Amino acid sequence: SAVISQKPSRDICQRGTSLTIQCQVDSQVTMMFWYRQQPGQSLTLIATANQGSEATYESGFVIDKFPISRPNLTFSTLTVSNMSPEDSSIYLCSVPSGGQTQYFGPGTRLLVL
Amino acid sequence: GENVEQHPSTLSVQEGDSAVIKCTYSDSASNYFPWYKQELGKRPQLIIDIRSNVGEKKDQRIAVTLNKTAKHFSLHITETQPEDSAVYFCAASIQKDSSYKLIFGSGTRLLVRP
Repeated sequence: SAVISQKPSRDICQRGTSLTIQCQVDSQVTMMFWYRQQPGQSLTLIATANQGSEATYESGFVIDKFPISRPNLTFSTLTVSNMSPEDSSIYLCSVPSGGQTQYFGPGTRLLVL
Repeated sequence: GENVEQHPSTLSVQEGDSAVIKCTYSDSASNYFPWYKQELGKRPQLIIDIRSNVGEKKDQRIAVTLNKTAKHFSLHITETQPEDSAVYFCAASIQKDSSYKLIFGSGTRLLVRP
């Protein structure tokens, strides 16, 4: 499976600010996925990021709040904009391998005060 | 709509006993069903998966069964050990245009008592 890294691993932010999370993969992948995992909850897909095109957002998530970049086949960023305490979550990127199998990055633990 | 239901939400078993977690999916076109294990503070780890052309798959103490007609799939862990304690998530794939996505169940917190 691919080696996936995320930065930062954790952060504490003030409400109203923005945080950009980076996801780096050691191999080229066509799709990268961004998930949110609220405390004690399951994984919810935010958006699918394809290189060279706009990200596809799931219901309930909008580009103004969660802008995504995908400059190349090994890297993506997710920005959490104008944060509120409700944005406190773990944010995970994942990449496909061997078809529909997905492997997850280590996650970014975000606390918004 | 797109939905995966998972039961039970918590499961406590004695070490050595078996554990079974069940999921139901809504999209009859789903054809891929992975299971993930998430230990506290860690990322979800793929432990086993099954595709729709297979009814059962085993990997040592772990097995997954799939009933396409009923849209059910289950995770079976035999001879449970304390290190099996974690949260387990099932998921089902949904085709979307030329892409796909995974819909996750709500999770099962498994506790294996020594």
